[in-house]
Amino acid sequence: GAVVSQHPSWVICKSGTSVKIECRSLDFQATTMFWYRQFPKQSLMLMATSNEGSKATYEQGVEKDKFLINHASLTLSTLTVTSAHPEDSSFYICSARGTGSYNSPLHFGNGTRLTVT
Amino acid sequence: DAKTTQPPSMDCAEGRAANLPCNHSTISGNEYVYWYRQIHSQGPQYIIHGLKNNETNEMASLIITEDRKSSTLILPHATLRDTAVYYCIGASYNQGGKLIFGQGTELSVKP
Repeated sequence: GAVVSQHPSWVICKSGTSVKIECRSLDFQATTMFWYRQFPKQSLMLMATSNEGSKATYEQGVEKDKFLINHASLTLSTLTVTSAHPEDSSFYICSARGTGSYNSPLHFGNGTRLTVT
Repeated sequence: DAKTTQPPSMDCAEGRAANLPCNHSTISGNEYVYWYRQIHSQGPQYIIHGLKNNETNEMASLIITEDRKSSTLILPHATLRDTAVYYCIGASYNQGGKLIFGQGTELSVKP
């Protein structure tokens, strides 16, 4: 089955630093990837849609200059949290859709837990 | 995306069938119904999806009403490992294929 890998699985950083999270589709090419954020005891919140070779589309209320997304290849998208603050501490999850049928399901990574101190 | 309504929590006895309902009365004709589940501190896992016909795979069955206003996910023989939050989502490619998660149903399978 389709596998999406995220790295790192957890990271602790100091306030003011930047953190990069990688999302890779291991056995399929992903033209579209999605980034979500999840706070404790809450549901997943869509942050942005990442398309290979073009600029990401951000959901309302998500700062594009703070959450930089790069989708440079058909198997890799990255999310960089710039100048991180404690309120950015969250569980970040990526997902990807293959180049198959248009209604094929999204496959999710196992998430990255970010803690900003 | 179709707005979906699910009960916040359900219990099920181990070995029995778990029937998880979802209302999606505003679903449009080209929106599929997707079911995912999330076990604590992991990414969501795809379970099944359908448009209007009932679907079955190795994990579950999906029963969609004829008017498509509601559906039921059936786990035929629930195990303790099925304890998770289950999400029902309506989505279509026309909307960019993105999935908008609601609050889901927290299923507890008890011995």
